[in-house]
Amino acid sequence: GAVVSQHPSWVICKSGTSVKIECRSLDFQATTMFWYRQFPKQSLMLMATSNEGSKATYEQGVEKDKFLINHASLTLSTLTVTSAHPEDSSFYICSARDTTNYGYTFGSGTRLTVV
Amino acid sequence: AQSVTQPDIHITVSEGASLELRCNYSYGATPYLFWYVQSPGQGLQLLLKYFSGDTLVQGIKGFEAEFKRSQSSFNLRKPSVHWSDAAEYFCAVDNNNDMRFGAGTRLTVKP
Repeated sequence: GAVVSQHPSWVICKSGTSVKIECRSLDFQATTMFWYRQFPKQSLMLMATSNEGSKATYEQGVEKDKFLINHASLTLSTLTVTSAHPEDSSFYICSARDTTNYGYTFGSGTRLTVV
Repeated sequence: AQSVTQPDIHITVSEGASLELRCNYSYGATPYLFWYVQSPGQGLQLLLKYFSGDTLVQGIKGFEAEFKRSQSSFNLRKPSVHWSDAAEYFCAVDNNNDMRFGAGTRLTVKP
């Protein structure tokens, strides 16, 4: 079945630095990928929709200059948290849409801790 | 406004007992409907999905869900819960490539 690899699974960074999270579709092409943020004991909140070869579409309230999304190929989307602050600490999850099977496959998530 | 509602934040059932997790949505048309399960610190695993056709959908791990248009519901069921089913369960709807999640229901299984 469709597999999405998300890396790293956890990262600790210093306040003010930037962190890049990768999301790869391993056995299918994904023209559309999605980035979610999940706070403890809460649901997933859609941050942005990433489209291959074009700019991402951000949800209201999500700072596009802080959360940079790049979807340069049909199998890779990246989320870069720029100038991270402790309030950016969260669990970030990506998903990719498999158009051949119509399904959304999720990565295993990245736990970001900013200290 | 479009929304997905999971009325139960936390449910506790005894191992071997039956389970039903509720999900209601409010969208103009019938969206695509999904149930996912999440273990702590993990991503989401798809249990089942409904697009059209038979309103009773079978999924993995013995789960099933029934779409009821008149009630705008897509409740998840399992006849006999196992201790390994303890996790967080999310109902999700996809309306024209816009997927939204319910708040989740945490399932605790008593021995």
